[in-house]
Amino acid sequence: DAGVTQSPTHLIKTRGQQVTLRCSPKSGHDTVSWYQQALGQGPQFIFQYYEEEERQRGNFPDRFSGHQFPNYSSELNVNALLLGDSALYLCASSTGTSRDTQYFGPGTRLTVL
Amino acid sequence: EDQVTQSPEALRLQEGESSSLNCSYTVSGLRGLFWYRQDPGKGPEFLFTLYSAGEEKEKERLKATLTKKESFLHITAPKPEDSATYLCAVQAWETSGSRLTFGEGTQLTVNP
Repeated sequence: DAGVTQSPTHLIKTRGQQVTLRCSPKSGHDTVSWYQQALGQGPQFIFQYYEEEERQRGNFPDRFSGHQFPNYSSELNVNALLLGDSALYLCASSTGTSRDTQYFGPGTRLTVL
Repeated sequence: EDQVTQSPEALRLQEGESSSLNCSYTVSGLRGLFWYRQDPGKGPEFLFTLYSAGEEKEKERLKATLTKKESFLHITAPKPEDSATYLCAVQAWETSGSRLTFGEGTQLTVNP
């Protein structure tokens, strides 16, 4: 049973560019959450998708947007990249029921130069 | 606003030396408290979920406990392979969504 997968593993971009990160949830999961983790810090919640809609959003600017597809996979898009966007981007999947445990993927390391 | 504070920031133990990690939290209504383990450059690995004060869960050398204000992760006779960052997160009862609010983590090093 495959766990949560993310692509790419690493990515290097320059300031002002746009980036798209991808996530496939664990089998049987229909909810995808995205987190940003700066070096030495805990993960920060970006947003959560359920039934192809953004269900909840953290304190991130509109430059961060996402999408969920009918097969429950998801994309995270970041526009007008800033140096401060350099981080490990984590995707977590869960079921839509209450008290659900979120299982994390390996992450995408984004470096903005 | 939900808040999670973990202490200590870093902990260095000798193999076999038991200790505890602390997670203090404030949340409007606790839906669940989660412990994860994270190795460098990797995604967090789920360890435990605790739902109510007084609850305890164990897995190998780890035991997690929960009170109304804090959680402890007890490590008994640790081994070098237990070295990792341990993250605590809370989930609140909300109208919609199930976001996790994380602490900064405790970096554990176990020396042989």
